[in-house]
Amino acid sequence: QSVLTQPPSASGTPGQSVTISCSGSSSNIGTNYVYWYQHLPGTAPKLLIYRNNQRPSGVPDRFSGSKSGTSASLTISGLRSEDEADYYCATWDDSMSAAVFGGGTKLTVL
Amino acid sequence: QVTLKESGPVLVKPTETLTLTCTVSGFSLSNARVGVSWIRQPPGKALEWLAHIFSTDEKSYITSLKTRLTISKDTSKSQVVLTMTNMDPVDTGTYYCALSHSNIAVAGPHFDYWGQGTLVAVSS
Repeated sequence: QSVLTQPPSASGTPGQSVTISCSGSSSNIGTNYVYWYQHLPGTAPKLLIYRNNQRPSGVPDRFSGSKSGTSASLTISGLRSEDEADYYCATWDDSMSAAVFGGGTKLTVL
Repeated sequence: QVTLKESGPVLVKPTETLTLTCTVSGFSLSNARVGVSWIRQPPGKALEWLAHIFSTDEKSYITSLKTRLTISKDTSKSQVVLTMTNMDPVDTGTYYCALSHSNIAVAGPHFDYWGQGTLVAVSS
């Protein structure tokens, strides 16, 4: 059971937008930066969003992140079939003095 | 080009100690402000952060496994080593190392580079 709560699944059709939520607490998301990773089975996870809403170079602007209070979200607009993957939020937890990942959300592009 | 490669045994027996090595290429671990973490993923489950070592030699561990984990680095070999004692079948999974250009305790889990992972099975 992760300290960061994500919906286990999400879905959308090509071209649609989908938002994945990540709920935490004052000791983690409420105080620290949130990161988002995309993970395709059998490959290395890929950094999508850093410091809540910043995109590394090479990540399409279809991916955006936001944070409000103790929750964060990842929005993927203009869904494409290659976006089908697992998505994880992550942050530092001050009370645990540890990095924590969410439980992951499996995105299906219908 | 920065690359990370994990290496270690594919199979360990229960109660044995696991030793994993992360070899970093294209970037010097002796640089200031560089850290390496180990993250694992049991089959069908989520990513789980395990440990981090920063350029200052500051170390952080997941609380639940702190007594079993040791992270260390050899900058001359550009390697970060993770040992996990008293292995159990629930420790089966893919183990990743990942590199950050910041102290995880300050900036959070900002991993710019990841290895491909190494699968470890724990079975008698």
